[in-house]
Amino acid sequence: GQQVMQIPQYQHVQEGEDFTTYCNSSTTLSNIQWYKQRPGGHPVFLIQLVKSGEVKKQKRLTFQFGEAKKNSSLHITATQTTDVGTYFCAGRDGSGGSNYKLTFGKGTLLTVNP
Amino acid sequence: DTAVSQTPKYLVTQMGNDKSIKCEQNLGHDTMYWYKQDSKKFLKIMFSYNNKELIINETVPNRFSPKSPDKAHLNLHINSLELGDSAVYFCASSHLSDTGELFFGEGSRLTVL
Repeated sequence: GQQVMQIPQYQHVQEGEDFTTYCNSSTTLSNIQWYKQRPGGHPVFLIQLVKSGEVKKQKRLTFQFGEAKKNSSLHITATQTTDVGTYFCAGRDGSGGSNYKLTFGKGTLLTVNP
Repeated sequence: DTAVSQTPKYLVTQMGNDKSIKCEQNLGHDTMYWYKQDSKKFLKIMFSYNNKELIINETVPNRFSPKSPDKAHLNLHINSLELGDSAVYFCASSHLSDTGELFFGEGSRLTVL
């Protein structure tokens, strides 16, 4: 079945440093979503990417979808303590079968040292 | 108004007991989900219903049985609880089943002793 790999598992940065998490799928995706889960909280939707090579920005966050629609990344510029949390990518299989299922990566836990 | 609400938020019970978690969404979505998040934070889909019809049924023990009385509710019943069932269970809903973003509830932390 479809697998979504995400690296790194953990990332600790100093406040002001940049952060990137990467997501790779074993199959071509129809779309990919990113979620953030604060410690003790629930996942909250950040963004969805649909088109090959798509790049979207939200303030200090930049999201990319690969040309082959099998990989994606989230980059945070100049991290702040409010960025702390686990970032998940989640992809829908685009190989023609049922694409109801959203498969989550294992997440990257970001901690920020003030 | 909470969009996706789950009850209870915390559940502590003994092995072998049966328990239920309820979920309701007031967003008018037609698709609802149950996800299990283990201690390593891995989010694994268990079930999904679209307009009360089961559309995703992952490899989950038969002890877990979802029920959707209407499209705004999706409950999860667990029989004969085991230690390995301890986790946070998240309910979620989405507007469209193949493209929509998921709105998660706050989670129900189940601890089996």
